[in-house]
Amino acid sequence: GQQVMQIPQYQHVQEGEDFTTYCNSSTTLSNIQWYKQRPGGHPVFLIQLVKSGEVKKQKRLTFQFGEAKKNSSLHITATQTTDVGTYFCAGPHGNAGNMLTFGGGTRLMVKP
Amino acid sequence: KAGVTQTPRYLIKTRGQQVTLSCSPISGHRSVSWYQQTPGQGLQFLFEYFSETQRNKGNFPGRFSGRQFSNSRSEMNVSTLELGDSALYLCASSRDFRAEAFFGQGTRLTVV
Repeated sequence: GQQVMQIPQYQHVQEGEDFTTYCNSSTTLSNIQWYKQRPGGHPVFLIQLVKSGEVKKQKRLTFQFGEAKKNSSLHITATQTTDVGTYFCAGPHGNAGNMLTFGGGTRLMVKP
Repeated sequence: KAGVTQTPRYLIKTRGQQVTLSCSPISGHRSVSWYQQTPGQGLQFLFEYFSETQRNKGNFPGRFSGRQFSNSRSEMNVSTLELGDSALYLCASSRDFRAEAFFGQGTRLTVV
């Protein structure tokens, strides 16, 4: 079945350093979604990418969708302590409604 | 606009018992999905309901079931609880097909 892998699992950075998490799917995706989950919280939707090669920015966050629509990345510039949390990518499972296959997540820790 | 509401927030049950969790989606959202989140397996899809019909089902045993009512509220039931069922159960509602998912705060189930 469809698998979505994320690397790295964990990342410790010093505040102000950059951070990147990578997401790879075993199948071509119609879109890719990114979510953030703060410690003790629930996943919160960040963005959805639909087009091949698409790049979207949200302040210090840059999201990319690969040309083959099988990989994606999230880059955070100059991390802040408020960026702490686990970042998940998720892809729709084929044509199956709103069923999402989630990557394992990258847990970001920021040292002040 | 109220978010996704899940009740109860915390639950402790004994092995062999059954449990029912409730989810009220965002007003106007007809798709409700359920996910199980554990440290070892991450976020795993349980099932999705749309207009009172189960549209998709994940790879979980038949002890896990759900339903959706005409007002889009959903319940999930787990019978004959096992220790391994201890997890955070998340409900998510979506407006459209392949739209972003809005998650509730989850129900933390502990089986002892």
